Amino acid sequence: GQQVMQIPQYQHVQEGEDFTTYCNSSTTLSNIQWYKQRPGGHPVFLIQLVKSGEVKKQKRLTFQFGEAKKNSSLHITATQTTDVGTYFCAEGGSGNTGKLIFGQGTTLQVKP
Amino acid sequence: KAGVTQTPRYLIKTRGQQVTLSCSPISGHRSVSWYQQTPGQGLQFLFEYFSETQRNKGNFPGRFSGRQFSNSRSEMNVSTLELGDSALYLCASSLYGQGYEQYFGPGTRLTVT
Repeated sequence: GQQVMQIPQYQHVQEGEDFTTYCNSSTTLSNIQWYKQRPGGHPVFLIQLVKSGEVKKQKRLTFQFGEAKKNSSLHITATQTTDVGTYFCAEGGSGNTGKLIFGQGTTLQVKP
Repeated sequence: KAGVTQTPRYLIKTRGQQVTLSCSPISGHRSVSWYQQTPGQGLQFLFEYFSETQRNKGNFPGRFSGRQFSNSRSEMNVSTLELGDSALYLCASSLYGQGYEQYFGPGTRLTVT
């Protein structure tokens, strides 16, 4: 069935280092949503990518959608302790009736 | 605008019992989705309701059911609870459906003993 693979599962970085998580699919993705879940919290929507090759930035966060729409990445520049949490990608399905399928998530730990 | 609310926040039940969880979406949102989150399986989609109709369903047994009321509030029910049903149950609302931004509630932590 439909699957979205996310790597790595865990990442420990020193504060100030960069961080990247990757989301891959064997099939073409309709769109990709990214969420962040802080420890003990609930997922919070970050962004949605729809177009092939799309790149969007939010301050230190850069989101990319692959040209073939089979992969996506989230890159954080100069991590801070506030970036700690689990980052999920999710395929939003087609239009109003698609299913949202989540990747397993990447848990980021930042050492001060 | 108030966020998504879920009640109760914590619940302890015994195997074999049933449980009902409630979710109130953001005002104006007609799509409500339910997810089960566990350390081993991650975030798994249970079902989505839109305007009182189940529009999508995940791969869960029939013990898991849900419904949506005319005011968009939703409930999910789990019958004959098993130990493996212990999880965080998250509700999310959206304007149009799962292809769009989801707003998650704080979740209900269910423990089955």
